Amino acid sequence: ILNVEQSPQSLHVQEGDSTNFTCSFPSSNFYALHWYRWETAKSPEALFVMTLNGDEKKKGRISATLNTKEGYSYLYIKGSQPEDSATYLCAFKGMYSGGGADGLTFGKGTHLIIQP
Amino acid sequence: KAGVTQTPRYLIKTRGQQVTLSCSPISGHRSVSWYQQTPGQGLQFLFEYFSETQRNKGNFPGRFSGRQFSNSRSEMNVSTLELGDSALYLCASSLVQGANNEQFFGPGTRLTVL
Repeated sequence: ILNVEQSPQSLHVQEGDSTNFTCSFPSSNFYALHWYRWETAKSPEALFVMTLNGDEKKKGRISATLNTKEGYSYLYIKGSQPEDSATYLCAFKGMYSGGGADGLTFGKGTHLIIQP
Repeated sequence: KAGVTQTPRYLIKTRGQQVTLSCSPISGHRSVSWYQQTPGQGLQFLFEYFSETQRNKGNFPGRFSGRQFSNSRSEMNVSTLELGDSALYLCASSLVQGANNEQFFGPGTRLTVL
């Protein structure tokens, strides 16, 4: 059973502040790491798909980094806005299948609340 | 471009019944994956279909099955429903199979088993 951990579980941030959170995954057997944003009453929306160690990706005020050797990815949000309030999910895919690890294994998410 | 659609959006069934959920992917997408989301477990992978063939499978009992049609639409079936099957079922489509492709999620089907 794969272990994908996200921390913190929830986060309250003042509007305008920057924040970051972590996704930890098995450092061996890495294939891909996904980040999704899931707003209440909407569908999860893809933010990034990362496949290479050292990858850095950016979309507007949101960016992510990847360290496959130590098994973690950070998601950064610069200058948080109320519309950033959502649950942020990471999902890991290992190189080898089997044992239920064939698809994406999701973390339980970081619930971000931006306070005006 | 229309997004991923799922029908029905809400469903109430009783224990022992069976249910079929439907997912229409984005036009041109050939891979469809299904996920179950429960409050305690988060999103869990059920299976992935590509070119009408199940390519990957998660750790769910055989009561959970699916299929994909030639137009890439997919259906998921759960037989002999249990209370624990109450969940949000999401499908996601991507252009091709492969975990380095981003997935586009539908709105989900909320299943309640009484």
